[in-house]
This record gives sequence, C-alpha cells and structure tokens, in this order.
Amino acid sequence: QVQLKESGPGLVQPSQTLSLTCTVSGFSLTSNSVHWVRQPPGKGLEWMGGIWGDGSTDYNSALKSRLSISRDTSKSQVFLKMNSLQTDDTAIYFCTREIYSSFDYWGQGVMVTVSS
Amino acid sequence: DIVLTQSPALAVSLGQRATISCRASQSVSTSSYNLMHWYQQKPGQQPKLLIYDASNLASSIPARFSGSGSGTDFTLTINPVQADDIATYYCQQSRELPYTFGAGTKLELK
Repeated sequence: QVQLKESGPGLVQPSQTLSLTCTVSGFSLTSNSVHWVRQPPGKGLEWMGGIWGDGSTDYNSALKSRLSISRDTSKSQVFLKMNSLQTDDTAIYFCTREIYSSFDYWGQGVMVTVSS
Repeated sequence: DIVLTQSPALAVSLGQRATISCRASQSVSTSSYNLMHWYQQKPGQQPKLLIYDASNLASSIPARFSGSGSGTDFTLTINPVQADDIATYYCQQSRELPYTFGAGTKLELK
C-alpha cells in the first residue's frame, strides 16, 4: 500500500541547513509528484514545494531562495534541503503524494525545532 | 497568491449538520474542474483528504461528508456530525502555484 515516511534531525541550530528525507512505497516517483508541507506548532499548513514525476520542481516563492527538493528514484526517496534556518522554521514537516491535484497520502510528519 | 478564507471555529451539536465555508480570493475553477480540496486534521495527526475537486469523496471517507461550490465559494458539509468528526478542517486550492491552504476551521461541540 501507499506509504510515505519522513526522517531527519529533530533539532537544528539557527543559520544551519535542514535536510529531510521522505521514503515512499507503493507507488512510483516517476508517475506521481511528492510535495513538502509544513505546520508550525498550533498553526496552519504551508505548501513548501514539490517534485513532479518528470523530476522538475516548484517552490513556494517565500522559501525559494533557501529551499531545494530532489529525489533518488532508485531508492524511492525525496529530499528536502533548506538553508539559513531561523526559529520561525520550527514546524512539523510532512511529505505528501499528489494525485488528481490533491494530496491523498501523507507521512506522519517529523518535528523540527530550530534552537541553539 | 490565492488566499483562502475560513472561519476560525464552528460549534455544533452531535447529530446536527455542520457547514464549513471557504472563500478564495480569485476563482479556483477551470472549465472542467473545481480545484478545491478539503482535509481533516486531528491533534497529533497528519491531514487526511476528505473531498477532492470540490465535491468528490476521497477513498474510505464516510458519506456524511460532502462538498460543493465553484468559482470562489466552497462548502464542506458534515451531516450528521459524530464525535469522531471533532477536528480542524482545511481547504486547499490547486488552481495555481503556490498551492495554498485556508487557515483552518476548528469544529467544536456546542
């Protein structure tokens, strides 16, 4: 069945780079797009960006200068890298599959705290 | 960016109808699709897709959930509300990038 699972460090120091991995199963990365969505504690959802089946990417313009999304299809993994982290980047980071232009499967999310 | 506006909270009684609205700052409809989707999120959990393309029930979602609307005005209806439906509900548009979400409507018991 379709599954997504995020992994990465729970704590990142300010100004450092966040690296997260989304490992997927049950579907092909070349046939579906995978996106990253984050949620600060107690707040709403923010679309960060995504990687399409053809490998192209799109980013939220608010994060574009700091964000990079890539993938390794042989390992069924999607990667997020975001630099220059600040405290307001503290959030739960979700990866999610897009189908029919909506997000049908989500990972459980990984909590990332930006703090020294 | 397309801004989606939701009321922060809605209080309902069990067994009654709940109507949650979402208004977009510009149309999210094409000639073929209404690109508005609804998600349910409970504390400590990931969002769950309820409705896609404004009115299509996602897989395994009970029929008491329904969606309607086009253009800029959309509605999620839960009828009848059950205790398990107490959660926060988000609308999301995919008409154009960046994809955007509403701020969420917290469904509470009256």
